[in-house]
Amino acid sequence: DAMVIQNPRYQVTQFGKPVTLSCSQTLNHNVMYWYQQKSSQAPKLLFHYYDKDFNNEADTPDNFQSRRPNTSFCFLDIRSPGLGDAAMYLCATSGIGDVLSNEQFFGPGTRLTVL
Amino acid sequence: AQSVSQHNHHVILSEAASLELGCNYSYGGTVNLFWYVQYPGQHLQLLLKYFSGDPLVKGIKGFEAEFIKSKFSFNLRKPSVQWSDTAEYFCAVNAKNTDKLIFGTGTRLQVFP
Repeated sequence: DAMVIQNPRYQVTQFGKPVTLSCSQTLNHNVMYWYQQKSSQAPKLLFHYYDKDFNNEADTPDNFQSRRPNTSFCFLDIRSPGLGDAAMYLCATSGIGDVLSNEQFFGPGTRLTVL
Repeated sequence: AQSVSQHNHHVILSEAASLELGCNYSYGGTVNLFWYVQYPGQHLQLLLKYFSGDPLVKGIKGFEAEFIKSKFSFNLRKPSVQWSDTAEYFCAVNAKNTDKLIFGTGTRLQVFP
């Protein structure tokens, strides 16, 4: 089935130790998003790619970076995780050019723990 | 700036009770509206969406929502909930022709048998 896949589902890292989360999609969607979701809060958009164009949210810390080497894959790099970065990280995709273009399809998320 | 408000943070119901979850948004232009559901341990899934046309939209699992433009609202309803509806429900909005969704803070629904 076409889907959005995130690996790993659970990631434990140490304070200050770089970590990379990955997302892949088989939907061939143009747009890929990374959200941060903390407990009992709404998903918060960190950045998104429109094809290869990177769009950073104004309040996303510099500690968070992203790479999209091709249509299918997108990575979230946290350069120096702090305790406050512990959260669920959600990847989502959406297509363009049709009436459904604004519907986003979500992966299962990666739960990041920072020790 | 756009924002989405969900007034009910935690709702507890018995099976067969009726459900209505409130959602209000602030944005002056044309919007697309969504309800997403997140079952325990699962990913966010689309429950229903409104783009245009009939303001009463029907989604999966017997859910429906009504867009009332004058009230900037998109409330979710279900006439008779089931235990399996226990989940977190998120309302979301995006402005037409933009890529970004703005989520509400979510409503946790617990349904007891």
